[in-house]
Amino acid sequence: SQQGEEDPQALSIQEGENATMNCSYKTSINNLQWYRQNSGRGLVHLILIRSNEREKHSGRLRVTLDTSKKSSSLLITASRAADTASYFCATDASGNTPLVFGKGTRLSVIA
Amino acid sequence: ETGVTQTPRHLVMGMTNKKSLKCEQHLGHNAMYWYKQSAKKPLELMFVYNFKEQTENNSVPSRFSPECPNSSHLFLHLHTLQPEDSALYLCASTLGPGEAFFGQGTRLTVV
Repeated sequence: SQQGEEDPQALSIQEGENATMNCSYKTSINNLQWYRQNSGRGLVHLILIRSNEREKHSGRLRVTLDTSKKSSSLLITASRAADTASYFCATDASGNTPLVFGKGTRLSVIA
Repeated sequence: ETGVTQTPRHLVMGMTNKKSLKCEQHLGHNAMYWYKQSAKKPLELMFVYNFKEQTENNSVPSRFSPECPNSSHLFLHLHTLQPEDSALYLCASTLGPGEAFFGQGTRLTVV
């Protein structure tokens, strides 16, 4: 069953702006991950945040996690045209369960 | 390159054909997965193998038949498919909880 739900479904911004995507989930989690997918290609892992962490950074990426609200956000700062892709959050309920993905947010960065 | 290789990248098959999708990884991962990605739908987990043993089958029709001869190779055998089975089929692997490594996918079209 679907666990993560990304919001918005689509986002269009100008190059240089920040992009924020949100993810909500339903049950308790072990960790939450964000992935990126270029059109018709495989998913690429971006960042993982554990259930006992609240914020994590990686380059221009910043991820927050609020387990009380069962939500996470992915912020991409100073966006570039090359950031155009679909972004997915994925959760696993425990260390032994497979990842469950949401429908994703389609980000378009206009040069 | 993620270390997970899928072949073929594109496949067109008739409804009476039999074909197989192949996935291999030499990352030393113990778990391998098949996901189906259709337009405007979340990634659907199809099958999970842990140490060559199938641990999950998400009510997938029997016209899809997985095979995992060893921890590095995963196949998806296809027969008498329907046009609605046309999708991007993604293979992934993991080593315990954490990051999943995806292949580039096989774009399947059933005619």
